[in-house]
Amino acid sequence: EIVLTQSPGTLSLSPGERATLSCRASQSVSSSYLAWYQQKPGQAPRLLIYGAFTRATDIPDRFSGSGSGTDFTLTISRLEPEDFAVYYCQQYRSSPYTFGQGTKLEIK
Amino acid sequence: QVHLQESGPGLVKPSETLSLTCTVSGGSISSYYWSWIRQPPGKGLEWIGYIFYSVSTNYNPSLKSRVTISEDTSKNQFSLKLTSVTAADTAVYYCARGAAGTGGYWGQGIPVTVSS
Repeated sequence: EIVLTQSPGTLSLSPGERATLSCRASQSVSSSYLAWYQQKPGQAPRLLIYGAFTRATDIPDRFSGSGSGTDFTLTISRLEPEDFAVYYCQQYRSSPYTFGQGTKLEIK
Repeated sequence: QVHLQESGPGLVKPSETLSLTCTVSGGSISSYYWSWIRQPPGKGLEWIGYIFYSVSTNYNPSLKSRVTISEDTSKNQFSLKLTSVTAADTAVYYCARGAAGTGGYWGQGIPVTVSS
């Protein structure tokens, strides 16, 4: 099973700042099989990025994904108030498909 | 616009079977992978398994002996059955499009509590 470790656990930033979230895999995932989700309280996760860097439908271009192999990054270029949430990475290269433990992005 | 809606009992007794259904509207379930994912209270996400074309399934080994995912194309639904539940199965259960949920469409989730 591929284990995903996200860092930091909590990120405190202000609106307008840049956020960088990390996801490290215990073995190579390859770029094609890494996704990022945003989850707000009481809501289902929302797909942001798939294939490591492809934005899902209707996702603003301030969200971008990068990385390959075992190290991946989600960057939010300029934080909007609605971006404060929990973010999960997920690998779907090999079953069982696994998620990271999440990074909470909170308002500073 | 594709819409997914989970339904089923919100309370299940220990040792019994949890049964949930996901109704898909706005498109046919044929030709797509469909999955179930769960989230225990205050915790992260766990992939349960997927179904494709009614006969191809893949389950998380941690649940494999207890899980069955099936499809009813006539009703445009797919279902989850989890047997011998315990308190550890208490979670919000989500249905989603895609083998891993990466199809971009998720249901709103249904909370299920295992308690006597």
